[in-house]
Amino acid sequence: DQQVKQNSPSLSVQEGRISILNCDYTNSMFDYFLWYKKYPAEGPTFLISISSIKDKNEDGRFTVFLNKSAKHLSLHIVPSQPGDSAVYFCAASVFQGAQKLVFGQGTRLTINP
Amino acid sequence: NAGVTQTPKFQVLKTGQSMTLQCAQDMNHNSMYWYRQDPGMGLRLIYYSASEGTTDKGEVPNGYNVSRLNKREFSLRLESAAPSQTSVYFCASSWGQGTNEKLFFGSGTQLSVL
Repeated sequence: DQQVKQNSPSLSVQEGRISILNCDYTNSMFDYFLWYKKYPAEGPTFLISISSIKDKNEDGRFTVFLNKSAKHLSLHIVPSQPGDSAVYFCAASVFQGAQKLVFGQGTRLTINP
Repeated sequence: NAGVTQTPKFQVLKTGQSMTLQCAQDMNHNSMYWYRQDPGMGLRLIYYSASEGTTDKGEVPNGYNVSRLNKREFSLRLESAAPSQTSVYFCASSWGQGTNEKLFFGSGTQLSVL
């Protein structure tokens, strides 16, 4: 049973526009959510996170929104740049921390010039 | 600062062969992890070590063993490789201090079992 789901395997966006990546989860015990970015032949790198006590967290061009009632989070990238082309994974954990991280399947984002 | 280093980067095995994937981190992290990434499945936790001297099973531990050799090193062993273990393997580490933790990943090992 996939507890964290990214239903869009791929997304294509024009440079300068907004990219919106979505993630749904089923476990209501999740209280911390993260986004990781992965380039080919590299390991994932941490991008941004949000605690369940917040509904929005912003870091430069990246904003994560959390809707607890809908069990849904989204990552907004504004404006999108060619270097943002990568695979994005959302992940969630319960109180126990990183040992209990559950990852989604990933969304491949392509930014077109 | 190297971060998390994994060796080898690529490996091809025949069914039934054994091998050990090596991982070392130089960030003085307490916790270390092994994940596998398969198409359409995301990253799945194989084993983790919350601190030196401890190891625990993750979501998909069958067919694997691990050793936390010291605080820096965490190895993953396949005793008798199977084609189902063809995957990309990632080692990761974290401070291990509880909630709101970030993982730091190595660059991965591409393993093919024929």
